[in-house]
Amino acid sequence: KQEVTQIPAALSVPEGENLVLNCSFTDSAIYNLQWFRQDPGKGLTSLLLIQSSQREQTSGRLNASLDKSSGRSTLYIAASQPGDSATYLCAVGASGSRLTFGEGTQLTVNP
Amino acid sequence: KAGVTQTPRYLIKTRGQQVTLSCSPISGHRSVSWYQQTPGQGLQFLFEYFSETQRNKGNFPGRFSGRQFSNSRSEMNVSTLELGDSALYLCASSSLESTGELFFGEGSRLTVL
Repeated sequence: KQEVTQIPAALSVPEGENLVLNCSFTDSAIYNLQWFRQDPGKGLTSLLLIQSSQREQTSGRLNASLDKSSGRSTLYIAASQPGDSATYLCAVGASGSRLTFGEGTQLTVNP
Repeated sequence: KAGVTQTPRYLIKTRGQQVTLSCSPISGHRSVSWYQQTPGQGLQFLFEYFSETQRNKGNFPGRFSGRQFSNSRSEMNVSTLELGDSALYLCASSSLESTGELFFGEGSRLTVL
């Protein structure tokens, strides 16, 4: 059974800082890995999708990496802004649309 | 183009009642999946539908069911509601002809009293 762990559970940083969120998974037989953002009381916004054959994806200030062999992914956020405050979720896809989610990292960026 | 639309956004029910939630996927997407989000269990997969067929099912009791229509819209139903069914129910759509990326709606928040 796939298990996804995200560290840290919560993170508070000053504005402008670069930061890294970590995600680990137990079964390396994955189809893809997706990072999401969730604002309080809202749905999930897709940030980055990495296919199992890829090593990283970039979008603006975000960069996500994937190391299947070690079962790890990182989400790097450059020059953080208060608007980046949200919960970040890592999800691993095994087949179809079945994702296994981590518990999330709650990020607070202080002005 | 329009995103994933879920209705209703909020609803309150009492134990023993049943509820139906609706999801309209992004135009052209044929896969719809449902997830339950609770503070204690996090996000858990309920089921997935593709071309009106249930393709995958999570570990939920039979009280949770769903269906998909020919226009790809989907509904999920929960019968004999229990207090523990209070949650945010999220629907996601995907175009499996592309990368498998999931796009989520805003969710339906169900409160069971």
